Amino acid sequence: NAGVTQTPKFQVLKTGQSMTLQCAQDMNHNSMYWYRQDPGMGLRLIYYSASEGTTDKGEVPNGYNVSRLNKREFSLRLESAAPSQTSVYFCASSGGRATNEKLFFGSGTQLSVL
Amino acid sequence: SQQGEEDPQALSIQEGENATMNCSYKTSINNLQWYRQNSGRGLVHLILIRSNEREKHSGRLRVTLDTSKKSSSLLITASRAADTASYFCATDLTGTASKLTFGTGTRLQVTL
Repeated sequence: NAGVTQTPKFQVLKTGQSMTLQCAQDMNHNSMYWYRQDPGMGLRLIYYSASEGTTDKGEVPNGYNVSRLNKREFSLRLESAAPSQTSVYFCASSGGRATNEKLFFGSGTQLSVL
Repeated sequence: SQQGEEDPQALSIQEGENATMNCSYKTSINNLQWYRQNSGRGLVHLILIRSNEREKHSGRLRVTLDTSKKSSSLLITASRAADTASYFCATDLTGTASKLTFGTGTRLQVTL
């Protein structure tokens, strides 16, 4: 069982570069999420998608864009990376549509922006 | 801003002892969840307690919820070295569809 798969696991960018973080789930879940985790800050929601074809902003959406390509895949794009976006990024999914049942997390992407 | 705040921030105990960590939140919730994160890994769901429940058990885990005090506690009994991890509470706020808000976590160290 793959669950939630994120790629890449590690990435180093220079300020101003762009990149896309990929996420796919094989559990037929409706909802998908992107979180970032910074020391002492816990996890903060960047964007989420309650169902295929919909996306909504979370707590910290500035500097990011997302695409819910299909039910399986939810990508996060940094158009012009900044050092403040150095963080660990987690994708998650859940089966519920408007109720928050448990989340299944990927193993994370450690991103450094120099 | 963080909805859930865990206490303590760090906890060190010996194997076999019980570990208790607390979570406080600010507004009404539908449910509250606890997650574990091993170093360098993603979060793993442990237990979910709904707002109309007061206590739930899962193996060596016991979770309580006091909605009048807006607080929850996670008790791990007979701890093992493998329980060493960070533990996070997450709240499903009423009126916020599809979003969980995570606290800052408690770092648990279980020594032999």
